[in-house]
Amino acid sequence: DTEVTQTPKHLVMGMTNKKSLKCEQHMGHRAMYWYKQKAKKPPELMFVYSYEKLSINESVPSRFSPECPNSSLLNLHLHALQPEDSALYLCASSASGGAFLDTQYFGPGTRLTVL
Amino acid sequence: QKEVEQNSGPLSVPEGAIASLNCTYSDRVSQSFFWYRQYSGKSPELIMSIYSNGDKEDGRFTAQLNKASQYVSLLIRDSQPSDSATYLCAVVGGNTPLVFGKGTRLSVIA
Repeated sequence: DTEVTQTPKHLVMGMTNKKSLKCEQHMGHRAMYWYKQKAKKPPELMFVYSYEKLSINESVPSRFSPECPNSSLLNLHLHALQPEDSALYLCASSASGGAFLDTQYFGPGTRLTVL
Repeated sequence: QKEVEQNSGPLSVPEGAIASLNCTYSDRVSQSFFWYRQYSGKSPELIMSIYSNGDKEDGRFTAQLNKASQYVSLLIRDSQPSDSATYLCAVVGGNTPLVFGKGTRLSVIA
């Protein structure tokens, strides 16, 4: 089973709100990823966790704060977002950390709207 | 800066025809190559992965890799209207994760 789950499916938030996106996988994968995707654009990498440690941060603004509580869970904490942050947020996982050569499996995404 | 180039399309093919999607990449040390299909509003879904030169077939899909030419392609045989989607080429190399192309929009006309 190659399932990555994400909650919520949809989220509407104001610019002063604090919210969190959640991602879970039970495939024993050791690398987990957050991507942001705007309409008609490819996914843009935000963060990579390898063996539960943050290994890549693609210069993402501090209003996005990732957290990896354990090897199966990945959170993205959101605070003071801007309307331009509205997008589809995708979580993915792959089997091994380190070289990231393995297939990434994507969750269904969270559609975020910032008002 | 690693780059992955795809023709954005739209590529229109009649039902039952072969659709040919192409991708070039800039980083010679790239090692893993993937094709994802993405329907509008949905997340990317893996179609094929390929790691060595040559062809790899899975049902109606064939991926072709030529590392010397830094070229990877996806052929879809007997195209169906349900194949209409955006196809993302993605490449991994060195110690950097997936780099996506901008995607090719495929339209299969019934």
